[in-house]
Amino acid sequence: AQTVTQSQPEMSVQEAETVTLSCTYDTSESDYYLFWYKQPPSRQMILVIRQEAYKQQNATENRFSVNFQKAAKSFSLKISDSQLGDAAMYFCAYRFQGGSEKLVFGKGTKLTVNP
Amino acid sequence: DGGITQSPKYLFRKEGQNVTLSCEQNLNHDAMYWYRQDPGQGLRLIYYSQIVNDFQKGDIAEGYSVSREKKESFPLTVTSAQKNPTAFYLCASSRSTGGWDEQYFGPGTRLTVT
Repeated sequence: AQTVTQSQPEMSVQEAETVTLSCTYDTSESDYYLFWYKQPPSRQMILVIRQEAYKQQNATENRFSVNFQKAAKSFSLKISDSQLGDAAMYFCAYRFQGGSEKLVFGKGTKLTVNP
Repeated sequence: DGGITQSPKYLFRKEGQNVTLSCEQNLNHDAMYWYRQDPGQGLRLIYYSQIVNDFQKGDIAEGYSVSREKKESFPLTVTSAQKNPTAFYLCASSRSTGGWDEQYFGPGTRLTVT
């Protein structure tokens, strides 16, 4: 069964600095998708960024970028120029390309941004 | 504005009572999902539906039931058989169940059973 591990229950960063959140996953599949979701205090989940496993190029969305290491099964999220609004729970998620429709979530990392 | 609505935001019930959580979407999405979130845990899939009148069990379906009579609606019933129903429940939808498709989430319902 696929599993997703986020080894950092909590992280903190100073405003305007850069932080990296870790995620590793376990799968025997070669085609899949990886996601980072943000859950702010309002508790509504918001997609931050996603990556297709067959693409070697790391995905980037404005201040958010990933470091995808397929062989190591690692999918870290880098937040540059951190803002107070980035404070939230961040969840890493995996989804198999075919045969399974569900997202498998990690337990999350709580990010605090200090002014 | 398109989106997903869940009501109510907070729900309180006595033990032994069934309770139904509402989920409506106006995004014209085919697929809909119910997740449960407990403190310190990620989201776990309860049920999902790929199309009207069809739904599948997720990882923790025991004690829950769903229906999908309309494309835009996917209500979840928490039955008295659910041993630990107090949790935060999130509904989501996506254009299809394809792996790349983004799942859009509702604001959630916090259910407390005493």
